[in-house]
Amino acid sequence: AQSVSQHNHHVILSEAASLELGCNYSYGGTVNLFWYVQYPGQHLQLLLKYFSGDPLVKGIKGFEAEFIKSKFSFNLRKPSVQWSDTAEYFCAARPPQTGANNLFFGTGTRLTVIP
Amino acid sequence: GAGVSQSPRYKVAKRGQDVALRCDPISGHVSLFWYQQALGQGPEFLTYFQNEAQLDKSGLPSDRFFAERPEGSVSTLKIQRTQQEDSAVYLCASSPGVAVSYEQYFGPGTRLTVT
Repeated sequence: AQSVSQHNHHVILSEAASLELGCNYSYGGTVNLFWYVQYPGQHLQLLLKYFSGDPLVKGIKGFEAEFIKSKFSFNLRKPSVQWSDTAEYFCAARPPQTGANNLFFGTGTRLTVIP
Repeated sequence: GAGVSQSPRYKVAKRGQDVALRCDPISGHVSLFWYQQALGQGPEFLTYFQNEAQLDKSGLPSDRFFAERPEGSVSTLKIQRTQQEDSAVYLCASSPGVAVSYEQYFGPGTRLTVT
């Protein structure tokens, strides 16, 4: 079945460590890709999105993601995490189906940053 | 400005009861989505409205689930004869347009617990 996969369920890092969260999708064609973040007690917020063009996308709070078409991947990165980055991170895709505006989410990765 | 709001934030229902969950989208937003997020999972699409028209209800898990948006603004998700497997967080998202390039803005969700 077509899907979005996040293989890291829980990641624990110390402050200032570098972060990379994996995301793979299985849709062909032109796929819109997103990373959302959910801070404790808050709603889902968009971190960044990729539609076309430069495969390296920069988002808010120093996050970036790289779209690698050959690997069907859209990994999220941050060079130096902070305690305030502790949250749940969701990768999502909007596959190239006519009229389909809804998002398909991965299962999420919980990030815990230790001060 | 105000974001997407949902009420109630928490709902406990006895098995077999009917529930109604409300979503107030951002004013003027054309598109409205409902998602279901089970514990430890990512959000899963339920249904989509463009103004008052329900264009996609392919994600509704059974005929016990019903959604409406009669005036193209507030939406209600109704679940009849609730079952334990309906326990989840129900998320509403709205978007200013119909093009796939528009961002979806999520509400805080309603946590439904069926006992």
